[in-house]
Amino acid sequence: DAGITQSPRHKVTETGTPVTLRCHQTENHRYMYWYRQDPGHGLRLIHYSYGVKDTDKGEVSDGYSVSRSKTEDFLLTLESATSSQTSVYFCAIRDTTGGGSASTDTQYFGPGTRLTVL
Amino acid sequence: GESVGLHLPTLSVQEGDNSIINCAYSNSASDYFIWYKQESGKGPQFIIDIRSNMDKRQGQRVTVLLNKTVKHLSLQIAATQPGDSAVYFCAENIENSSYKLIFGSGTRLLVRP
Repeated sequence: DAGITQSPRHKVTETGTPVTLRCHQTENHRYMYWYRQDPGHGLRLIHYSYGVKDTDKGEVSDGYSVSRSKTEDFLLTLESATSSQTSVYFCAIRDTTGGGSASTDTQYFGPGTRLTVL
Repeated sequence: GESVGLHLPTLSVQEGDNSIINCAYSNSASDYFIWYKQESGKGPQFIIDIRSNMDKRQGQRVTVLLNKTVKHLSLQIAATQPGDSAVYFCAENIENSSYKLIFGSGTRLLVRP
């Protein structure tokens, strides 16, 4: 599991309330990502981070903000949750191993957070 | 545009048979491809990857084939087992894109006993 945990694992909230999801990693990875997964859309990138205090937008960033004040934690915030943000949210880290043609440079995912906005 | 797609949304195979899951990509600048497996209620799990300078890579019971001429990627699973039942995603990394993967919508593999 690449030492990735997400909290909470499940959350139900009401429209208009703020929500913060946490991703925690224990292996000092530089890159971290937040995705959402919806039926028929696969995984879509919301925001990503390439270091402490270094973040950038993905393809579906509207309505979301992120913060990374330390290497191990990447927070995703919905400032005012809407029903369209009901989804499963996955955090991922980038890990590079090996060298040459046998090298792997991929993303490993956390267990996900199921968010329901009523 | 930049997109990754799959030909078949659901694939049903008999236990013990070989499975082939296909994926088309549209960006010729993609230089790295990954297959993920996702079981119900879990996060995607890395299976195998391939770089654009290769056309075949083998793992344990899995093989990934890359045809850059027609922008096609496939995942072959040998002797499919019930534990292989899951949704499979392909993903591509576009060269010089700050390592942002683009995922396909997934193919569900069902293994019949």
